Amino acid sequence: DTAVSQTPKYLVTQMGNDKSIKCEQNLGHDTMYWYKQDSKKFLKIMFSYNNKELIINETVPNRFSPKSPDKAHLNLHINSLELGDSAVYFCASRRDRGSEKLFFGSGTQLSVL
Amino acid sequence: GESVGLHLPTLSVQEGDNSIINCAYSNSASDYFIWYKQESGKGPQFIIDIRSNMDKRQGQRVTVLLNKTVKHLSLQIAATQPGDSAVYFCAEISGGYQKVTFGTGTKLQVIP
Repeated sequence: DTAVSQTPKYLVTQMGNDKSIKCEQNLGHDTMYWYKQDSKKFLKIMFSYNNKELIINETVPNRFSPKSPDKAHLNLHINSLELGDSAVYFCASRRDRGSEKLFFGSGTQLSVL
Repeated sequence: GESVGLHLPTLSVQEGDNSIINCAYSNSASDYFIWYKQESGKGPQFIIDIRSNMDKRQGQRVTVLLNKTVKHLSLQIAATQPGDSAVYFCAEISGGYQKVTFGTGTKLQVIP
């Protein structure tokens, strides 16, 4: 069973569209993250949620809105997509106490045309 | 802002040789460091970690060295195999373990 699963794996869309990426973890972890990886493989944190509460919100355009309906899910909605949003988006989770290890999903490759 | 890991983007090694991947960090308050391996088409996976009160930790075929004086971290892979080909990231953890900052990554290519 996949520990951290993201859907879709590939997303191709036109500029200006609105899209969502879903993430679910079945590890019972308390904290979930969204990371963006650019074409040079640089991983940048976007958001972090702990038990459905936003705890990290890096400098991300407000077109990006995370939503955590419960602690096992963290979805990412993106409005008015731009060319520069093209990247691979990774969801990750971490157990709250006693572990700093992140478990990553397999990524969503977003291509904005 | 602070950055982690501004070293070699690509490292090519012969199969069977040892590999050393380096990482520089700038936040002296970081508590904890992790090395991740990212294979093509996959998310990063944990390899080995080290706390700031240690200077060396060994795993299976991998060793992490931490030099806090010069803020340097390295990952040594013994007897490198084709399956080790991947992008390797160092990550530093601070802020009560909430913030994980990744380095720029190093691509390891193993030549058969």
